[in-house]
Amino acid sequence: QKEVEQDPGPLSVPEGAIVSLNCTYSNSAFQYFMWYRQYSRKGPELLMYTYSSGNKEDGRFTAQVDKSSKYISLFIRDSQPSDSATYLCAMSYTGNQFYFGTGTSLTVIP
Amino acid sequence: DGGITQSPKYLFRKEGQNVTLSCEQNLNHDAMYWYRQDPGQGLRLIYYSQIVNDFQKGDIAEGYSVSREKKESFPLTVTSAQKNPTAFYLCASSLYDRSNQPQHFGDGTRLSIL
Repeated sequence: QKEVEQDPGPLSVPEGAIVSLNCTYSNSAFQYFMWYRQYSRKGPELLMYTYSSGNKEDGRFTAQVDKSSKYISLFIRDSQPSDSATYLCAMSYTGNQFYFGTGTSLTVIP
Repeated sequence: DGGITQSPKYLFRKEGQNVTLSCEQNLNHDAMYWYRQDPGQGLRLIYYSQIVNDFQKGDIAEGYSVSREKKESFPLTVTSAQKNPTAFYLCASSLYDRSNQPQHFGDGTRLSIL
């Protein structure tokens, strides 16, 4: 079983839709959770960083962590064509080891 | 602007040749990492370094070598022993302290075989 599971998609939504991206994990020791956005031929860009359970909001983006279910989500409100990218989840319990999902490909159709 | 610079953007390797990928950061980060990204496989850790003159193997270190002579620099050499080097290589860095800071990435180097 992989440490982090992420549905690869692809996911296609119309402009303005609410997007929900999810990851599950198996290691209950994970405490730090991240979402990255990666455009084609570019490096991942950090979008959200959360510690332990709860919600964090930044503009149109909301990250949720449910440690009891070992499940994290990223919501994108009022999705735009510029949100079309691959979204990677990542998590960690130490200062030097990070575990990544395989990424979900998102296309927002104008 | 602070950031991570990887060069070159594209690199071609001939059979039996070693090639070196450059990674420089001006974020004053302690830790640096090299990942390999293949379609459908996500990011796989090659090497990481938490401090100058020290580094550890990741999950797929065979066929690769690194050095960390300066805090700002963490070059990766893909040796001829790496039989399947075609991939997108990503360098990352982070502060290494008890608060467990997230990683920040460069824009990658795409390596192909001639």
